[in-house]
Amino acid sequence: DIQMTQSPSSLSASVGDRVTITCQASQDINNYLNWYQQKPGKAPKLLIYDASNLETGVPSRFSGSGSGTDFTFTISSLQPEDIATYYCQHYDNLFTFGPGTKVDIK
Amino acid sequence: QLQLQESGPGLVKPSETLSLTCTVSGGSISSSSYYWGWIRQPPGKGLEWIGNIYYSGSTYHNPSLKSRVTISVDTSKNQFSLKLSSVTAADTAVYYCNVDSSGRLSYFDLWGRGTLVTVSS
Repeated sequence: DIQMTQSPSSLSASVGDRVTITCQASQDINNYLNWYQQKPGKAPKLLIYDASNLETGVPSRFSGSGSGTDFTFTISSLQPEDIATYYCQHYDNLFTFGPGTKVDIK
Repeated sequence: QLQLQESGPGLVKPSETLSLTCTVSGGSISSSSYYWGWIRQPPGKGLEWIGNIYYSGSTYHNPSLKSRVTISVDTSKNQFSLKLSSVTAADTAVYYCNVDSSGRLSYFDLWGRGTLVTVSS
């Protein structure tokens, strides 16, 4: 089974900071990697699909990159409404989520 | 605009079967573009994929749950359902229904609000 890891598990940053989260797969997964945002008490929301494609309606300060085993999710300028937990997710007829990264405002 | 709404008992006894329904509005569950599915999240923990179903009836399940999971579609009611048998306290979670409109079973682009199911006697 393919395992997904994320780092860090949590972070605190100031409004306007650039925030980077990494996701690593235990083996090559091509670009079969998505990113979700989950705010407290809410359902997850798709932000990035196929590693680097921005979902319709998602602000351009969110971006994703990577291929193979190493992937990066970036918020170019952190906003107060970005407080959430972010999950990476691999797909290949099965779906595996990373453990999540909790983002707070410093 | 497509919308999803979960419904079902909030409390289930251990060893019994958990049954949830997701009602689809704003679109047809028979659309060839969509895969319908379920994901759960135990309180304070991460997301776990349960399974998906195509309108034709083809199903895809998490191997760790497969023997206990049944996902079905009711086209007459525009609903799909989840049954999870022999539940234990470890099955206590918020259950989300979702849809993959990519046509290739790759991401979940619309979710219901979720419903908390507690397993307890």
